[in-house]
Amino acid sequence: GDSVTQMQGQVTLSEDDFLFINCTYSTTWYPTLFWYVQYPGEGPQLLLKVTTANNKGISRGFEATYDKGTTSFHLQKASVQESDSAVYYCVLAPHDTNAYKVIFGKGTHLHVLP
Amino acid sequence: GGIITQTPKFLIGQEGQKLTLKCQQNFNHDTMYWYRQDSGKGLRLIYYSITENDLQKGDLSEGYDASREKKSSFSLTVTSAQKNEMAVFLCASSISGGISDYTFGSGTRLLVI
Repeated sequence: GDSVTQMQGQVTLSEDDFLFINCTYSTTWYPTLFWYVQYPGEGPQLLLKVTTANNKGISRGFEATYDKGTTSFHLQKASVQESDSAVYYCVLAPHDTNAYKVIFGKGTHLHVLP
Repeated sequence: GGIITQTPKFLIGQEGQKLTLKCQQNFNHDTMYWYRQDSGKGLRLIYYSITENDLQKGDLSEGYDASREKKSSFSLTVTSAQKNEMAVFLCASSISGGISDYTFGSGTRLLVI
């Protein structure tokens, strides 16, 4: 079945460090891939979305490339700020546009120290 | 811009009690969802609804009921609260199917004593 794997449960960085959050997926066809971010006390919100394989999504300094070859969608940011502290979810939506059951990864909790 | 509102924000219940959580959206979105969020487990789908009066079970529907009497509202009922249960319930809406963007509410935090 479809799945999303985020191996890092928690990442702690200092301001201006490089961020890399690992995400790999498994599905039978070409999915749409998302990153959602959840700040404390709020619901998740869309960070970026990529619908086409081998394309890159960019938003608020974050970027992720939909790599069909390695079935990965890693999230990166060149220089994190304390305000980036949040939980980041990698999400897969199956190719079938009538599919309502998207798959959430378990989330990666990012702590950025001042 | 629209908004999705969940009530109550905090809910303390007793073991065995029936508890109802409510969600309202004014985006005119067709599809609405209820997710349960537990630490380290991500988001798990409880129920979703693709239109008014439609209900579809998710992976975690046992122990819950849902109701979608209006397009703008979607309620979730915990049929019998479990002692020491602690979780966040998130409501979301989207225009249509899973490839469209989700908008989430800020959640209802449940504690059962």
